[in-house]
Amino acid sequence: RKEVEQDPGPFNVPEGATVAFNCTYSNSASQSFFWYRQDCRKEPKLLMSVYSSGNEDGRFTAQLNRASQYISLLIRDSKLSDSATYLCVVNGAGGFKTIFGAGTRLFVKA
Amino acid sequence: DTEVTQTPKHLVMGMTNKKSLKCEQHMGHRAMYWYKQKAKKPPELMFVYSYEKLSINESVPSRFSPECPNSSLLNLHLHALQPEDSALYLCASSQDLARGGSNQPQHFGDGTRLSIL
Repeated sequence: RKEVEQDPGPFNVPEGATVAFNCTYSNSASQSFFWYRQDCRKEPKLLMSVYSSGNEDGRFTAQLNRASQYISLLIRDSKLSDSATYLCVVNGAGGFKTIFGAGTRLFVKA
Repeated sequence: DTEVTQTPKHLVMGMTNKKSLKCEQHMGHRAMYWYKQKAKKPPELMFVYSYEKLSINESVPSRFSPECPNSSLLNLHLHALQPEDSALYLCASSQDLARGGSNQPQHFGDGTRLSIL
């Protein structure tokens, strides 16, 4: 089993749609969690950190469920500019090891 | 614009060459990282430095040699690379390592695209 697993994708959605990504992690001692986006041939950029209480930033909502060891990202009112690969990132026990999920590709179409 | 600067942006080298990749940040971050990313794959952690000391080496071959001359700079020295080492090499930094559950997001440079002939 991979340490961090994501929906395989790709997700093809129309503009204005709501789309949800899920991610699971295997190490229950993992301590911090993030969503990054990566555009083609660009570096990963931090989208948002993920907290147990859930957090929202505009059209984006992230949730963490420690009991079930999964993280989610909800994008509302999708824009063409949201097209990218979304990477789930987990910092392992002790915070030393950063593990990326394989990423989920999102295509938003007009 | 990224606050982590990597040079060069592109590098083509032969298998017998020696070259270095450079990374610089001026955010006062004390943790710095090297990643390797192949096409359509996620970044893979190679090395982690914390307070200028090597904290993690993810079983990386010795043909890759990291160096942290000071808290703002991180180098990756390359020697006798193989064609399969062709990839995007990403540098990142964070305020500190994420100890005790503290939230320490990493900020990435835009990478060096390396091709080995």
